[in-house]
Amino acid sequence: GAGVSQSPSNKVTEKGKDVELRCDPISGHTALYWYRQSLGQGLEFLIYFQGNSAPDKSGLPSDRFSAERTGGSVSTLTIQRTQQEDSAVYLCASSLGRYNEKLFFGSGTQLSVL
Amino acid sequence: GQQVMQIPQYQHVQEGEDFTTYCNSSTTLSNIQWYKQRPGGHPVFLIQLVKSGEVKKQKRLTFQFGEAKKNSSLHITATQTTDVGTYFCAGRGQGANAGKSTFGDGTTLTVKP
Repeated sequence: GAGVSQSPSNKVTEKGKDVELRCDPISGHTALYWYRQSLGQGLEFLIYFQGNSAPDKSGLPSDRFSAERTGGSVSTLTIQRTQQEDSAVYLCASSLGRYNEKLFFGSGTQLSVL
Repeated sequence: GQQVMQIPQYQHVQEGEDFTTYCNSSTTLSNIQWYKQRPGGHPVFLIQLVKSGEVKKQKRLTFQFGEAKKNSSLHITATQTTDVGTYFCAGRGQGANAGKSTFGDGTTLTVKP
């Protein structure tokens, strides 16, 4: 596609439920990032995929959070047993690769945990 | 770990006034990027600085990278209402920190017409 695509754009869930957020990066981009942005706050790094290397998971806030990237393209961020503090905008970004770091962001998924 | 701090958090200016936001890293950076996020939007890439002491200009925007590659600034001359938004710096570290960009908390600019 022309840009980074994220789905759904909005997700409302009940506390304790699991959610899956999807990111479809720009074709040919080998690097993919997930960030979290709470209302009026900065960007909190969650996880980074680069090609076939092991992902950098150092930003995942708890073991309820996991992400995978299949075939070096689409990525899914899964949050298990959601909590109210998980409510935020989840942003995905991709870039051409490790040494071309211009990040292209998707429009994000607004997650609301009731 | 690597930390990137940005000041001020908020800046309110009258249209036509200048604006500057500053970014400081706890570690030496390999490069720094600047992004702009309009209200309700997602961050959009503005520029990347790589060299020590580098200065780049985009119309009314001037970007600087410090000599030690630990700080950077974005200066907007004669702000316009279209400049409204949050400006983020993102620093990429060296060595073990080279894999990801660490974002500052951003400076939110409001411009009064």
